[in-house]
Amino acid sequence: GAGVSQSPSNKVTEKGKDVELRCDPISGHTALYWYRQSLGQGLEFLIYFQGNSAPDKSGLPSDRFSAERTGGSVSTLTIQRTQQEDSAVYLCASSRSPDSSTDTQYFGPGTRLTVL
Amino acid sequence: GQNIDQPTEMTATEGAIVQINCTYQTSGFNGLFWYQQHAGEAPTFLSYNVLDGLEEKGRFSSFLSRSKGYSYLLLKELQMKDSASYLCAVRTGGSYIPTFGRGTSLIVHP
Repeated sequence: GAGVSQSPSNKVTEKGKDVELRCDPISGHTALYWYRQSLGQGLEFLIYFQGNSAPDKSGLPSDRFSAERTGGSVSTLTIQRTQQEDSAVYLCASSRSPDSSTDTQYFGPGTRLTVL
Repeated sequence: GQNIDQPTEMTATEGAIVQINCTYQTSGFNGLFWYQQHAGEAPTFLSYNVLDGLEEKGRFSSFLSRSKGYSYLLLKELQMKDSASYLCAVRTGGSYIPTFGRGTSLIVHP
């Protein structure tokens, strides 16, 4: 595809359940980012993948959050034992050359997660 | 750490000019981005500044003053479709991860 895609577009779950969110980056982009956006808040960085390097997990809010990126392409963000405060839009972005100062992130449409 | 401030909301009239300000405090600086985000959609890239001065791109221009930790996005000849949230993001030296402000919701009315 031409852009970053994410699935599902909407997810409603019950408190305590696990959820998986998927991101397909733009082909050829080596960097992949996950962000969270709550109502009225800015984009909160969660995790960053670059090539085969160890991911930067410094933004993950708790050990209930984890992410994988298989084969340097598709990424899955997993939230275990979801809580109501996890409700937000989860955005994925990819970029081609993160070591370039002019590198631009391209965002997917996001997954809106609602935890009841 | 980083601190990025933008006004929460602005309103303007169709056809007018609006300036959205962004101030930042960082331990280093390696570029400032502006993104546009329509409700329910993904942010889309508008502009990038790393040197002082004005970058013009059609109806949109972005200005940067590194010494003042200040940027603005200028939108000319406003159209109704410009109603959106405008996000300022700063990247610091040594990090590939931009930090985003909370965004400015711009409402354009007839």
